[in-house]
Order: sequence, then structure tokens, then C-alpha cells
Amino acid sequence: GEQVEQRPPHLSVREGDSAVIICTYTDPNSYYFFWYKQEPGAGLQLLMKVFSSTEINEGQGFTVLLNKKDKQLSLNLTAAHPGDSAVYFCAVRRTSSGSWQLIFGSGTQLTVMP
Amino acid sequence: NAGVIQTPRHKVTGKGQEATLWCEPISGHSAVFWYRQTIVQGLEFLTYFRNQAPIDDSGMPKERFSAQMPNQSHSTLKIQSTQPQDSAVYLCASSSGTGPYEQYFGPGTRLTVL
Repeated sequence: GEQVEQRPPHLSVREGDSAVIICTYTDPNSYYFFWYKQEPGAGLQLLMKVFSSTEINEGQGFTVLLNKKDKQLSLNLTAAHPGDSAVYFCAVRRTSSGSWQLIFGSGTQLTVMP
Repeated sequence: NAGVIQTPRHKVTGKGQEATLWCEPISGHSAVFWYRQTIVQGLEFLTYFRNQAPIDDSGMPKERFSAQMPNQSHSTLKIQSTQPQDSAVYLCASSSGTGPYEQYFGPGTRLTVL
């Protein structure tokens, strides 16, 4: 079945620096991709949804790139600030089985230092 | 929009006791999902419903775990004879069932089995 590898597990940057998180998935038929942010004691906050037909999505302070050839999904936080400190998860919706379940990466703990 | 509501936020049970977790999806959403989050295993899919019908329970432990959705406004996850290894954060999510099928998560229920 689909597997998702996420790296790095921990990332520490200075305020104003960029931060990149990468996920690699295995199922070439995967179609829907998501990035979530989790703050301590909270649930998952949806940051961005990416479809197979879209390669680059931009949000407030971040860019998501989907590389279908290499089966990679990346989240690039530009000019990180302390409020970005959280755990970030990528998620892939399995399409080959028809199920709507999400397969998650293992998470990246991002720390942004002032 | 209150988002996905989960109760209780924290639950402590003794080994062998029963635990029932509640989820109220976003109004109008047709799909409800249950996930379990632990440090060791990360985020694991358990089960989901669409239009109150069980669709995929491939992630549910075969014994002691059951889920129901008696009406469109709430779902329950029941764990019988709880064991210490059931300690985790249980997350509920809902989806509108249209478009990219993004899932919106509740804050989770932290279950501690002593």
C-alpha cells in the first residue's frame, strides 16, 4: 500500500530564514495531497491542499511544490517566524483502493528561534 | 462554524474499563473519520463513515474497538476492556465529501489507560 516518508524529523531555523520539509510517496496514482500543522494540545490544522493537476500552490508565507516525476511533495516556509513553530504533517489520500483515508508522514517538528 | 467537536478532551480509565469517545462533525459534512495518534506509531487511520454508513474499517483493531454513527450529527468510538497500549490521542475528522475531500480535524481526545 501507499507509504509516505517525511523528512527531516526535526528542523530548527532562525526567524526570517526559510524552512523546507519534504515528503516522498510511493503510489504513482496518488492524486490528493495535504499539509497539516499541529500545535501542542491541538488537532490538525489544514494548511494546503494540492491536486495532481497543480504543481505549485502558495499560501500565506509558504509554498507547496508537487513533483510527480519524483513522487515528492514539499512545503517551503519563507521568512519563518516563531508562530510557525509546530509539527507539520504531509498526508496523501489513497486513490487506488477507493478509500478516502489519509496516509500521513511521520511529522516534522519545526522550531523557529527569535 | 464550531468546527469538529470532540468530547471529552481528556479521559483516564483503569485497565479493563470501557471508554467511549464522541465526535460531532461539521454541520453538513457527510464523511466522518477516526484516527489514532501516538509517539511511536504516528497518525494511524482507524475507520470512516460516509452518509452514516461504515465504509472502511481496515485500521480498526479486530477486538475491543467499535465505531458507530447513529445519526449525521455524531459518531462514537468505543473501546472495551481498555489496555495501556490503547493510550493515545484519538482524532476525529469530517469531510464534505465533495471536491478534494479535505478533512477537518477536531482537537482530539487524549485517552490514558492506567
